[in-house]
Amino acid sequence: EPEVTQTPSHQVTQMGQEVILRCVPISNHLYFYWYRQILGQKVEFLVSFYNNEISEKSEIFDDQFSVERPDGSNFTLKIRSTKLEDSAMYFCASSGGQRGGYGYTFGSGTRLTVV
Amino acid sequence: RKEVEQDPGPFNVPEGATVAFNCTYSNSASQSFFWYRQDCRKEPKLLMSVYSSGNEDGRFTAQLNRASQYISLLIRDSKLSDSATYLCVGMDSSYKLIFGSGTRLLVRP
Repeated sequence: EPEVTQTPSHQVTQMGQEVILRCVPISNHLYFYWYRQILGQKVEFLVSFYNNEISEKSEIFDDQFSVERPDGSNFTLKIRSTKLEDSAMYFCASSGGQRGGYGYTFGSGTRLTVV
Repeated sequence: RKEVEQDPGPFNVPEGATVAFNCTYSNSASQSFFWYRQDCRKEPKLLMSVYSSGNEDGRFTAQLNRASQYISLLIRDSKLSDSATYLCVGMDSSYKLIFGSGTRLLVRP
């Protein structure tokens, strides 16, 4: 079964450092997403990406965040200057179509710990 | 009203029991609905979509009541492996997923 792959599985970084979280979506999917989940809280939408541009972003996705699809396979989330409150699980997802409920596949996540 | 709201539980039931979870949603999260399952520190995994007519997948039955803005999930004959957090999820008009906080289920031997 096709998978969304995320690396690294766990990243520890110092406050103020830049981090890049990487994702390889399912190859024929067109819509890409980042969600995050702070420990003990609900999964929250960060950003959606289609046709090489951001479709929508939440209020969490401020100027410290950016996304990129640098080549045909990778989809990255960059946090420029990490804060303690950025510590969370970050999930990448992709879907084949907008009404993507069925085709929405999540990666196994990157646990980001900011110290 | 919060976009998707669930009772956090935990629901602690014996193996073989039938358990039901409920969820309410607001208009902003009402395009489509799903139940996801999440194991501790893992990604959400789609359990089933929820259709207006109700739908069943093995031991799992989902119901949607649009008039009351209410969704349910029924699990029959609970197994130990059903222990997880069940996430009620809506999809908004821009096709992003809106997650509830989840309901924890513990199935004991």
